[in-house]
Amino acid sequence: DGGITQSPKYLFRKEGQNVTLSCEQNLNHDAMYWYRQDPGQGLRLIYYSQIVNDFQKGDIAEGYSVSREKKESFPLTVTSAQKNPTAFYLCASGSRQGRGYTFGSGTRLTVV
Amino acid sequence: AQSVAQPEDQVNVAEGNPLTVKCTYSVSGNPYLFWYVQYPNRGLQFLLKYITGDNLVKGSYGFEAEFNKSQTSFHLKKPSALVSDSALYFCAVMITGGGNKLTFGTGTQLKVEL
Repeated sequence: DGGITQSPKYLFRKEGQNVTLSCEQNLNHDAMYWYRQDPGQGLRLIYYSQIVNDFQKGDIAEGYSVSREKKESFPLTVTSAQKNPTAFYLCASGSRQGRGYTFGSGTRLTVV
Repeated sequence: AQSVAQPEDQVNVAEGNPLTVKCTYSVSGNPYLFWYVQYPNRGLQFLLKYITGDNLVKGSYGFEAEFNKSQTSFHLKKPSALVSDSALYFCAVMITGGGNKLTFGTGTQLKVEL
């Protein structure tokens, strides 16, 4: 079945550590996106990529980094520079304009 | 810049009654409008979209939405609510070009009670 897979489902990070969230899709979609979800704030765009080896900052990119070395993969690194990383992170992919996105099931990151 | 407003944090409705979840948008240009639903600790699931054409859009699970250009609204509706419809609902807007980015509202928690 085609879909988009995020791992791990739950992730715990110590203060000062970098962590990487995985996102893989087999939908042959060109574009991929990372959103952060906080209660009462909806979804906010962190980074997006329209093609391999290219990506752009979204609205809240500070403290995050991404790479897009393969069409299928768009990992997100939450760096120690992100002051409040505890949140639910959602990855999505999309094809042609107007078709909307397919979302992964999310990764819940908690700082301990 | 594009934006979406969902004025109600929570909507409560009795099972069997009609439901409406409100959404208004602000864009320069013609919008593509979407509704998604989210169950606890899960990703978002697509419900329906408006691209062009008929202002009344029918989607999954009996939901529909009406595009109103003059009021810049895209309210989600269902004639008869089910307890299983209880979830978090997001309205989103996309404009042409610019990476096909979706801008989401803050979400509306729908609670359907017996």
